[in-house]
Amino acid sequence: AQSVAQPEDQVNVAEGNPLTVKCTYSVSGNPYLFWYVQYPNRGLQFLLKYITGDNLVKGSYGFEAEFNKSQTSFHLKKPSALVSDSALYFCAVRAKNSGNTPLVFGKGTRLSVIA
Amino acid sequence: GAVVSQHPSRVICKSGTSVKIECRSLDFQATTMFWYRQFPKQSLMLMATSNEGSKATYEQGVEKDKFLINHASLTLSTLTVTSAHPEDSSFYICSARGTIGGEQFFGPGTRLTVL
Repeated sequence: AQSVAQPEDQVNVAEGNPLTVKCTYSVSGNPYLFWYVQYPNRGLQFLLKYITGDNLVKGSYGFEAEFNKSQTSFHLKKPSALVSDSALYFCAVRAKNSGNTPLVFGKGTRLSVIA
Repeated sequence: GAVVSQHPSRVICKSGTSVKIECRSLDFQATTMFWYRQFPKQSLMLMATSNEGSKATYEQGVEKDKFLINHASLTLSTLTVTSAHPEDSSFYICSARGTIGGEQFFGPGTRLTVL
């Protein structure tokens, strides 16, 4: 079975400070990993993904994430937070050789960036 | 990139009526479409998976007679909430995949409110 854990319901950070949103996963075999952002009453916006290759993945809006196989983690990071980054963030996973199974999502982490 | 649309974006209906939500892949053929449901401040929960031309596969606990899914063409899937009740009020998000095991692209979501 595939699963994702986002241990923090809420992350608060001051504008200009670095931010980290945590994600750990569990799959059989190698994972495909994704981060999405959701603004109120809106759909999901794709931020970045890890498929293969370099463990550090750079995505949209200055976000990046590092795949750590030994820790089964894929934490989302940004060097300097903006107030406009305040939103709900979802980590998602799928096993590489899992046929046509869908993405499984974490419960989400609400990021609040304070001016 | 691949675009998925949903219509309507928002619908309000009376209890007991049926509501149809459309999901279209605009620039690719979607062999598989997924329907997710999101309650306020919660994660996306998979409701069902549909492959073009075949019956949908529903997740445990999802009533197939209440949530009718049709995937009649490679670019259109519909979700019909039959005899809607207030507890069906939610945010419904569709997702489409062009190839078996390929990347999922998400629609903008439909906010359903049942009075």
